[in-house]
Amino acid sequence: GAVVSQHPSWVICKSGTSVKIECRSLDFQATTMFWYRQFPKQSLMLMATSNEGSKATYEQGVEKDKFLINHASLTLSTLTVTSAHPEDSSFYICSASTTSGYLYNEQFFGPGTRLTVL
Amino acid sequence: EDKVVQSPLSLVVHEGDTVTLNCSYEVTNFRSLLWYKQEKKAPTFLFMLTSSGIEKKSGRLSSILDKKELFSILNITATQTGDSAIYLCAVNTGTASKLTFGTGTRLQVTL
Repeated sequence: GAVVSQHPSWVICKSGTSVKIECRSLDFQATTMFWYRQFPKQSLMLMATSNEGSKATYEQGVEKDKFLINHASLTLSTLTVTSAHPEDSSFYICSASTTSGYLYNEQFFGPGTRLTVL
Repeated sequence: EDKVVQSPLSLVVHEGDTVTLNCSYEVTNFRSLLWYKQEKKAPTFLFMLTSSGIEKKSGRLSSILDKKELFSILNITATQTGDSAIYLCAVNTGTASKLTFGTGTRLQVTL
């Protein structure tokens, strides 16, 4: 159990366009979802935390108008990179956690989405 | 500000060697410490440690936490080329299960 999927796995887009990345918890209800960004040879940096039905909490230095997060249901969160630029190229990873049952408060990671902006 | 520091940053060893990876932390609200292995995709879970002095073991990997000195180590014995990866340490600070990740240790095991 506790599987998290991301879609797409890899996306290449032109500078100035917007890209949406989906994160789904497949077999549990995720009360909280986290979005991370990882640049090459660096560790995961938390971008934002989102709870279902409420606004995301962004980490310092992350532009909320550029990285739009929606957590409309207990199994789906989306990250939209608006007006993407080459410096936004990175590996984006989501994780999900739940406050119920034996999975309480553990984070389960999706496989990641590699974004390349030309 | 919560901080997690791993050392070394990078390590190359020969197959069969034993390695010890270090993770130290300074956080305001410690809940647990986790180790992950990351190859090409997202991190895969190895261990979660909450109590000092209790070793967790899985095959050739083991880990222990020292909450007094604020560090943890991850040991890998009889290393294999398949152990080559980035090993990430993260601390759960209990605020909505938020994880703060360390810089990672890149391990390369050569023949």
